[in-house]
Amino acid sequence: AAGVIQSPRHLIKEKRETATLKCYPIPRHDTVYWYQQGPGQDPQFLISFYEKMQSDKGSIPDRFSAQQFSDYHSELNMSSLELGDSALYFCASSLGRGQRSSGANVLTFGAGSRLTVL
Amino acid sequence: AQKVTQAQTEISVVEKEDVTLDCVYETRDTTYYLFWYKQPPSGELVFLIRRNSFDEQNEISGRYSWNFQKSTSSFNFTITASQVVDSAVYFCALSEGGWRTGTASKLTFGTGTRLQVTL
Repeated sequence: AAGVIQSPRHLIKEKRETATLKCYPIPRHDTVYWYQQGPGQDPQFLISFYEKMQSDKGSIPDRFSAQQFSDYHSELNMSSLELGDSALYFCASSLGRGQRSSGANVLTFGAGSRLTVL
Repeated sequence: AQKVTQAQTEISVVEKEDVTLDCVYETRDTTYYLFWYKQPPSGELVFLIRRNSFDEQNEISGRYSWNFQKSTSSFNFTITASQVVDSAVYFCALSEGGWRTGTASKLTFGTGTRLQVTL
């Protein structure tokens, strides 16, 4: 079965540079989530999109922006990178509106993109 | 605000031992979902189980079992006869409200429990 595809898997940037991460959700999934996981920490919610509109926002820095495109893939843009942005970035997808009997659907996570800022 | 607490930072067991990972949650919502995810050394997050707040039945899947108790706001995870391949970080997570509206909601994770299974 198709999974959530993230690219690139690894990325090395210098301070103050810009990085873009891409996420391709599972086919027919209309909701995308971005999480940031620092070393030894739990994943922290950044932002989510449902049907190409922002649906929720977490602890996403102002230097970061994201969007979901017409084909439902999403991109996370990070500018003015700082050392503290070094982390594993996960994208997850789900069906935004499940049947009431199933409710909130399971988030399926991609393998993650590891960003290292030097 | 929702919160998930995994008090056990790290657990070490010898293969074939049983081990229980604790999870306590806080939420003001009456409808919510609880999850367990596994993160092996390779880094990906692997879904293990989802439980909704109206279903307190315990669940068993092979060597894995889950005990959900609303009275104590706990959702504990037991691995029976642990194996080296079970070594990973295990996260408990909570999402609120989605069941009622039928919309998916973000997950709030606990801080994780690192399980080390040795021979």
